[in-house]
Amino acid sequence: GAVVSQHPSRVICKSGTSVKIECRSLDFQATTMFWYRQFPKQSLMLMATSNEGSKATYEQGVEKDKFLINHASLTLSTLTVTSAHPEDSSFYICSASTGNKNEQFFGPGTRLTVL
Amino acid sequence: SQQGEEDPQALSIQEGENATMNCSYKTSINNLQWYRQNSGRGLVHLILIRSNEREKHSGRLRVTLDTSKKSSSLLITASRAADTASYFCATVAFWAAGNKLTFGGGTRVLVKP
Repeated sequence: GAVVSQHPSRVICKSGTSVKIECRSLDFQATTMFWYRQFPKQSLMLMATSNEGSKATYEQGVEKDKFLINHASLTLSTLTVTSAHPEDSSFYICSASTGNKNEQFFGPGTRLTVL
Repeated sequence: SQQGEEDPQALSIQEGENATMNCSYKTSINNLQWYRQNSGRGLVHLILIRSNEREKHSGRLRVTLDTSKKSSSLLITASRAADTASYFCATVAFWAAGNKLTFGGGTRVLVKP
């Protein structure tokens, strides 16, 4: 149980294009989903917290107009990187949680490369 | 922002040896969690220890928590080559709404066969 999937697992795009990443909780309903970014050999940095049916809460320094988050249902959240640039190349990981203070279940990550 | 510092940043051991890594944090916490990440993959939850607990075991894993020192340790006993991964501690702050995690820098563990 508690499986989270991400799609795609890997994407390469040209500078200036937009990329959408999906995060799904497959066998449970996630009240909250989180989006992280991880640069090589570094830790995870939280980008935003997403609750179903409400606007995402972005961490300081994360541009909400650049990283659009939609949490349309209790099993799906999407992250859209708009007008991607090479510096946006990173490993994007989502996680889902069922409740307060509990563990998070992580997706396998999406490797984004912007040329 | 990262709250935790992990020590060491990297660890190389022989199969069968024990691996110990430490995590320090700055604010009062509700709980502390340890995760494992294999290269290029997502994170796997290992263990959660609450602020009123001092020690917890799960298989070959032993976690301690010292809230007075704001530190935690993860011990992997009788390590195996499959334990090669990065290990992260993450805290849920006492005052936080929900369960937002703040990650430490991680320890990269290499277990040589």
